[in-house]
Amino acid sequence: AQKVTQAQTEISVVEKEDVTLDCVYETRDTTYYLFWYKQPPSGELVFLIRRNSFDEQNEISGRYSWNFQKSTSSFNFTITASQVVDSAVYFCALRVYNFNKFYFGSGTKLNVKP
Amino acid sequence: GAVVSQHPSWVICKSGTSVKIECRSLDFQATTMFWYRQFPKQSLMLMATSNEGSKATYEQGVEKDKFLINHASLTLSTLTVTSAHPEDSSFYICSARPFISGQGMNTEAFFGQGTRLTVV
Repeated sequence: AQKVTQAQTEISVVEKEDVTLDCVYETRDTTYYLFWYKQPPSGELVFLIRRNSFDEQNEISGRYSWNFQKSTSSFNFTITASQVVDSAVYFCALRVYNFNKFYFGSGTKLNVKP
Repeated sequence: GAVVSQHPSWVICKSGTSVKIECRSLDFQATTMFWYRQFPKQSLMLMATSNEGSKATYEQGVEKDKFLINHASLTLSTLTVTSAHPEDSSFYICSARPFISGQGMNTEAFFGQGTRLTVV
């Protein structure tokens, strides 16, 4: 069975602080994809990143970085120098190769205060 | 990136009426579309998977007769909430996967902006 756990329900930081959102996943499949999505108050899901299980290289995109560690089944997301516009709910998700279904975590609400 | 559009963005309806939500892939053909439901402050739960030209596959616990899904073309899927009741009030999100020859299921899925349904 597949499962995604985001233990942090809500995080509050002050602008310019760095913040890391945790994601731990469970799957017995060897080929899978991991995702992060941002959901601002307006509701739409904004795709941030997809990582396949064979690519453990960390990725950096501007202020965003992702740390994928298969040894701990984690795919953590760090925002550097956070901004108020980063305030949103962030979802981590898992999809197994050749299957349609996304398994979403429960989401982490990030509040960035000025 | 690929665009998926949902309409309407929000709708308020009276209890007992039916509501139709459209999901369109604007710049790609989608053989598979997905419908999710999200309760306040909760995660997304897959309701059903619709394939163009065939019957939708519903997740366990989702009433087929309550949530009618039609995937009539490669760019349009509709979700009809029949005889809506206040407990059906929720945020409904669709996603669509482009058809790319040779890649099967392993293409990216793109999400619509969601529809907030309120049944009064």
